[in-house]
Amino acid sequence: AQSVTQLGSHVSVSEGALVLLRCNYSSSVPPYLFWYVQYPNQGLQLLLKYTTGATLVKGINGFEAEFKKSETSFHLTKPSAHMSDAAEYFCAVSDNPSNTGKLIFGQGTTLQVKP
Amino acid sequence: SAVISQKPSRDICQRGTSLTIQCQVDSQVTMMFWYRQQPGQSLTLIATANQGSEATYESGFVIDKFPISRPNLTFSTLTVSNMSPEDSSIYLCTGVGMNTEAFFGQGTRLTVV
Repeated sequence: AQSVTQLGSHVSVSEGALVLLRCNYSSSVPPYLFWYVQYPNQGLQLLLKYTTGATLVKGINGFEAEFKKSETSFHLTKPSAHMSDAAEYFCAVSDNPSNTGKLIFGQGTTLQVKP
Repeated sequence: SAVISQKPSRDICQRGTSLTIQCQVDSQVTMMFWYRQQPGQSLTLIATANQGSEATYESGFVIDKFPISRPNLTFSTLTVSNMSPEDSSIYLCTGVGMNTEAFFGQGTRLTVV
């Protein structure tokens, strides 16, 4: 069975500082990994995804994530936080490339950005 | 990318009643799903909405409580039946097109009193 663990339910950074949101997964098959962002009172928006190929993936809004199979991790980073990055971030995994709507989500990490 | 519209966006309902949530996609999708996000928690898949046939439910969810319809490729409904306060959640509709990742609706914020 697949699972996702996000380390840290709340992360607080200063504006301009590095953002690092941690995600570890468990999967018996090659995983397909996703990061979604949820702004207050809104649905989920895809930030980036890893399916195959290059392990460093770049997404929207300056975010990127690196798939590390040996560490079963898919941490999300952004070099410089902006106030508008404050939101809830979800890491998710799928084991089926033709059914990427069937996702296992982590518990989410709330990112706070301080001025 | 495709856009999903959900109605209602929010509702406050009396316990024991039922609410039907509608989900409309602006283009054809191969698959549609319904998720629940309980307060302060992550998303949990309720079921896969199958066109023209019974939905496929995940463990812990049953058709009597969450009947789902999908009469065509772009529309689905989820009914939350005989509601209790524990059903207070955000319900999200999701679509997947050919060779695309899942995209989500804005969600329906349900409060049961």
